[in-house]
Amino acid sequence: GAVVSQHPSRVICKSGTSVKIECRSLDFQATTMFWYRQFPKQSLMLMATSNEGSKATYEQGVEKDKFLINHASLTLSTLTVTSAHPEDSSFYICSGKGQGFSPLHFGNGTRLTVT
Amino acid sequence: RKEVEQDPGPFNVPEGATVAFNCTYSNSASQSFFWYRQDCRKEPKLLMSVYSSGNEDGRFTAQLNRASQYISLLIRDSKLSDSATYLCVVNRAGGFKTIFGAGTRLFVKA
Repeated sequence: GAVVSQHPSRVICKSGTSVKIECRSLDFQATTMFWYRQFPKQSLMLMATSNEGSKATYEQGVEKDKFLINHASLTLSTLTVTSAHPEDSSFYICSGKGQGFSPLHFGNGTRLTVT
Repeated sequence: RKEVEQDPGPFNVPEGATVAFNCTYSNSASQSFFWYRQDCRKEPKLLMSVYSSGNEDGRFTAQLNRASQYISLLIRDSKLSDSATYLCVVNRAGGFKTIFGAGTRLFVKA
């Protein structure tokens, strides 16, 4: 099946630093990438949707200047959490999707802890 | 009202039981449908696509009811390993819009 590689799988950083998370689609072209956040015992929350070569569309309440998304190619998207704070600690997951009605394929997630 | 709704559960069932989940969607323009499974602290994984004619994969059967705008997932002979959160996903707008349900939690007990 289609594979999305996400790394790092776990990161601990100090408050005020920036963290970059990468997602690569290994065997398909991800026309669209979605970025999610999930807090413990809660459901996935969509943060933003990005189409290759276009600016990301952010969900209401998600700060675009804090969560920088780049989707420069059909196989790579990055999420940078800038000036991270402890409340940004969460599980961040990307998913990639090809054209049309193809299903989503998820990365294995990044557990971010900001101290 | 959310565009895609699921009963959050939890559903607590004994091993060997049959359990069914529904997922309703409000936009009649929805075009494709999927069930995902998410284990605790893991990413969701595609369980099965849902076709208009229904589809079956081993102990799992998915159905689509366009008239009533819901999809269902039936799990027969539940195993302990089926314990997870089951998410329904709906695509529309030519696939450019993907909406997740909040998930239904299932606990299968010995």
